[in-house]
Amino acid sequence: DIQMTQSPSFLSASVGDRVTINCKASQNINRYLNWYQQKLGEAPKLLIYNANSLQTGIPSRFSGSGSGTDFTLTISSLQPEDVATYFCLQHNSWPRTFGGGTKLELK
Amino acid sequence: EVQLVESGGGLVQPGRSLKLSCAASGFTFSNYYMAWVRQAPKKGLEWVATISTSGSRTYYPDSVKGRFTISRDNAKSSLYLQMNSLKSEDTATYYCARLDDYGRYFDYWGQGVMVTVSS
Repeated sequence: DIQMTQSPSFLSASVGDRVTINCKASQNINRYLNWYQQKLGEAPKLLIYNANSLQTGIPSRFSGSGSGTDFTLTISSLQPEDVATYFCLQHNSWPRTFGGGTKLELK
Repeated sequence: EVQLVESGGGLVQPGRSLKLSCAASGFTFSNYYMAWVRQAPKKGLEWVATISTSGSRTYYPDSVKGRFTISRDNAKSSLYLQMNSLKSEDTATYYCARLDDYGRYFDYWGQGVMVTVSS
């Protein structure tokens, strides 16, 4: 199974900050990496698919980059509504596996 | 708008069974692969099962193979997860999820339903 190591597990930032979250795969997953946002009590929401494609309806302050084993989710200017847990998913092979999650809070 | 609403969770004793349901709306259910994903308390997410559009093909990780059965009723736009021989480690929030057009990744998720396995 492919292991996904996500960092940091916890992040505190201020409104307007640039925020980056990382995921590292234990082997090459090409660009088959997605990012999701989960707010408390809500369903997870797809933000980025195939490493850098923005899902329809997602604000442009969210972006993704990377390929192979190293990937990054960037929020260019943090907004209060971005407080959530973020996690990555590799869909290069089965079983699909997830990063451990990053809890993002406002400073 | 795509909606997935899970039901059927609760407290169950070890060794017993439980069946989860997921009601889908807002899309043509029969055209999509579907899946269940779970998250144990303070743990990461784990894929649990996937089913093809017709229901003829199902896939499981080793952790649940032989104990869990995924099924669907396309006429009712409903997905199910039959869980047998439950263990304490099956305690988790269970999410119903739709796979994208190519069956690669989960593009829409439900809010989840809690299953607690305890005596």
